[in-house]
Amino acid sequence: DVQVVESGGNLVQPGRSLTLSCVGSGFTFGDYDVSWVRQAAGKGLEWVAYIRSQPYGARTEYAASVKDRFSISRDDSKKTAYLHMNDVKGDDTAVYFCARSGGGSPVYLFHWGPGTLVTVSS
Amino acid sequence: SSELTQDPTVSVALGQTVTITCRGDSLKNFYGSWYQQRPGQAPILVMYSKNKRPSGVPDRFSGSFSEDTASLTITGAQAEDEADYYCNSRDSGSDQLIFGGGTKLTVL
Repeated sequence: DVQVVESGGNLVQPGRSLTLSCVGSGFTFGDYDVSWVRQAAGKGLEWVAYIRSQPYGARTEYAASVKDRFSISRDDSKKTAYLHMNDVKGDDTAVYFCARSGGGSPVYLFHWGPGTLVTVSS
Repeated sequence: SSELTQDPTVSVALGQTVTITCRGDSLKNFYGSWYQQRPGQAPILVMYSKNKRPSGVPDRFSGSFSEDTASLTITGAQAEDEADYYCNSRDSGSDQLIFGGGTKLTVL
């Protein structure tokens, strides 16, 4: 079965850094794009970033709300994607989902992890 | 940047047909996808591209596009279809992704 599982969520102080991990199994990790999507309590889904597969140059894109603070990377040998969060703010408090794409486009998010909670508070 | 607009709430009687819509300029150029999210759970892809259904999604779910509007139709709604539904697409001005605000579907 295809699975993605996030980890690394935690309580973090404003201005500090945190790295989330997303491990994939049941598929060839390097063949697929990976996105991070977040959801604040009681709110809707907000796309955060994606990284394309190596055939697409591992190109990255970011939402305006996190650009210059967050970075996404991948290590296909470890079947893992990362979200490096710097200078975190209260508005970054959310459940962070990792999602694997399919159907030939980063838009189509076929498989989602259960999410990991990030709480930004002093 | 573009926006995707969804009705916040929609209701349907058990066994009846309901259509959830998503409107935005980006849909004129890019097909999007639809996600179902039940409380406390991760989203599930239920429709992608013009009208493709991932394996495991019941065939009572169907999708369509017209100009700037994507539609998700549930024919014969079941109690388990009660959930939040989100559309997404690619921002027409960039390669970023965008989500609609979500529609809470209530099955009466």
